[in-house]
Amino acid sequence: DTGVSQNPRHKITKRGQNVTFRCDPISEHNRLYWYRQTLGQGPEFLTYFQNEAQLEKSRLLSDRFSAERPKGSFSTLEIQRTEQGDSAMYLCASSSRVYNEQFFGPGTRLTVL
Amino acid sequence: DAKTTQPPSMDCAEGRAANLPCNHSTISGNEYVYWYRQIHSQGPQYIIHGLKNNETNEMASLIITEDRKSSTLILPHATLRDTAVYYCIVREGNDMRFGAGTRLTVKP
Repeated sequence: DTGVSQNPRHKITKRGQNVTFRCDPISEHNRLYWYRQTLGQGPEFLTYFQNEAQLEKSRLLSDRFSAERPKGSFSTLEIQRTEQGDSAMYLCASSSRVYNEQFFGPGTRLTVL
Repeated sequence: DAKTTQPPSMDCAEGRAANLPCNHSTISGNEYVYWYRQIHSQGPQYIIHGLKNNETNEMASLIITEDRKSSTLILPHATLRDTAVYYCIVREGNDMRFGAGTRLTVKP
């Protein structure tokens, strides 16, 4: 399967802990996006990479959140000092050009207790 | 905030056409209309997009009004597997803002 993959699929953590999620995009895609989705809502844009450069960040991305894409391939999203409000589905998507469709991964569901 | 307005839910009979409306009255000239759907517990799936002209692919048709202030996604022969939340998105560049979408339920 050459689609977008995300790991882990589920993460349960205690408030105050740090968590890291990984996204592996489709191999030839140079654009990678992170979104957050809470129950009953559509995905909300968090940040965007073109190759290894992080070109855009949403105001939703507080200083507790950091994303990297060190070699322009996979990406990681880290949340430090998690809060209960961080509980959500974290989605990753990739595309080959700006107006091409984004292909989404299955998401990582985070539960903060 | 999303630039689109969609009904929160719709029903459709299996085998019939599903017509999902979307209002985007503040759309600007460079913004595309995209449609995605999300089946429960999965990531969103691209359906179709367009700028001015009507578009058709193997999944659906997209009808955009001449003034571009609204559009309709048409699933010509809905099946039970088309039950999902459908998102209409107005997009310029990388900024793709999802609203709450329309929950389409296809009934046998």
